[in-house]
Amino acid sequence: QVHLVESGGGLVKPGGSLRLSCAASGFTFNDYYMSWVRQAPGKGLQWVSYISTSGVTIKYADSVKGRFTISRDNAKNALHLQMNSLRAEDTAVYYCARGGGWETIDYWGQGSLVTVSS
Amino acid sequence: SSELTQDPAVSVALRQTVRITCQGDSLKIYFANWYQQKPGQAPVLVISGKNNRPSGIPDRFSGSTSGNTTSLTITGAQAEDEADYYCNSRDSSANYLVFGGGTKLTVL
Repeated sequence: QVHLVESGGGLVKPGGSLRLSCAASGFTFNDYYMSWVRQAPGKGLQWVSYISTSGVTIKYADSVKGRFTISRDNAKNALHLQMNSLRAEDTAVYYCARGGGWETIDYWGQGSLVTVSS
Repeated sequence: SSELTQDPAVSVALRQTVRITCQGDSLKIYFANWYQQKPGQAPVLVISGKNNRPSGIPDRFSGSTSGNTTSLTITGAQAEDEADYYCNSRDSSANYLVFGGGTKLTVL
C-alpha cells in the first residue's frame, strides 16, 4: 500500500532554514507527480508546491515562491522541500502528498510540524 | 484568499442527507476533489473528478457539479462522518492548485 513518511520538521528561528524530506513506498514513485501541502494550526489546507515525474515542471504558491525549493530523487523514492527565509506565518504541519499538476492528490503522509518562532 | 469558497460549518441529523458546496470560477472548467479530515489525522480523498469514489469510501458519498459549484453529498450521514471537508481544484490560470477554506460537518 502507499506509504509516505515525512521527516525534518522542528523549531527554527525567523529567517532560518529547514529541509523536509518524504520517503515514499508502495508505488512506482517516478510515475507520479508529488506535492507539498501545509496546514497552519487550526486553519485549512494550503497547497505549497508540486513537481512533475522528471522534475522538469515545478510550481509554487505565491506565498513561498523564491524561498522554498521542491526537489525529488527518483532513485531513492524521496521528495524534498528546502525552506529558506522562514517566517512565523510558515508555521504549519507540512504534508507530503502523491499527485499534483493534472493528477489528483490521492494519498497523504501523516505530516511534519514546522514551527517558526524566536 | 482562497479562490474556492465553502461554508464554514454545516450540520446534519444522523442518517439524514447533507450537501456540502464549493464555489469558484475555475469549477466551470475543472473538476474538483473532496477530502475528509478528522482531528489529528491527515486528509483522506473521498471523491475525485466527476464523481469517483476511491476504494474503501462508502457509497453514501457522492459528488456533482453545476456551473461554478461543486457539491459533496452524504446520503444517510453517520456519526463517523463528522469531520472537516475540503474541496480542491486548479485556479483559473491552471498553474496552481487551490483548496477551499473547509467545511466543518457536525452530525447531530
